[in-house]
Amino acid sequence: GAGVSQSPSNKVTEKGKDVELRCDPISGHTALYWYRQRLGQGLEFLIYFQGNSAPDKSGLPSDRFSAERTGESVSTLTIQRTQQEDSAVYLCASSLRGENEQFFGPGTRLTVL
Amino acid sequence: DAKTTQPTSMDCAEGRAANLPCNHSTISGNEYVYWYRQIHSQGPQYIIHGLKNNETNEMASLIITEDRKSSTLILPHATLRDTAVYYCIVRVGMSSGSARQLTFGSGTQLTVLP
Repeated sequence: GAGVSQSPSNKVTEKGKDVELRCDPISGHTALYWYRQRLGQGLEFLIYFQGNSAPDKSGLPSDRFSAERTGESVSTLTIQRTQQEDSAVYLCASSLRGENEQFFGPGTRLTVL
Repeated sequence: DAKTTQPTSMDCAEGRAANLPCNHSTISGNEYVYWYRQIHSQGPQYIIHGLKNNETNEMASLIITEDRKSSTLILPHATLRDTAVYYCIVRVGMSSGSARQLTFGSGTQLTVLP
């Protein structure tokens, strides 16, 4: 079946602009994660959605970052007033209910000039 | 989550079995061993997990020692496309409610040679 998809695959933006990244999880997966991965670094957790529960936003690095999820489907990650240090690959993952078997999308490579 | 130790890098000839070790001597009774890999410029990919019994799926086999202090991921017939960083993590199974975000260590860079 279809895996996790993300769009766009690449995004180049100017410092100070807002960007919106999209994630389509695997159908039926109630848990959705956003991570950030800087070049050569490990995964940095950003936010977690589980069903209709309040999201766990503990990993968001600043108030410029926000995310929404519509029911148990699409999620968008918004970065306002982008900074150069926001440049990274943003990865989305989903799992059936919150298990450790997470299925990742291909990521969105964000470059802030 | 228990700490894991993996070799920094390994080479394997194409078509041969790749055996990737992982030490997790402080694992507790309710913690599972999970393996992921990340191919260059791609997102991480779940491979396999187990608690105490050996496991096999279409991608790999997982051998866990009887004392559960170490494990080995086996790719039975490595191909060039298996070149990736392989991560072994140890953590409790599903727990409802709280986030179960993944944290990877440095992993093992497996290079499959032609």
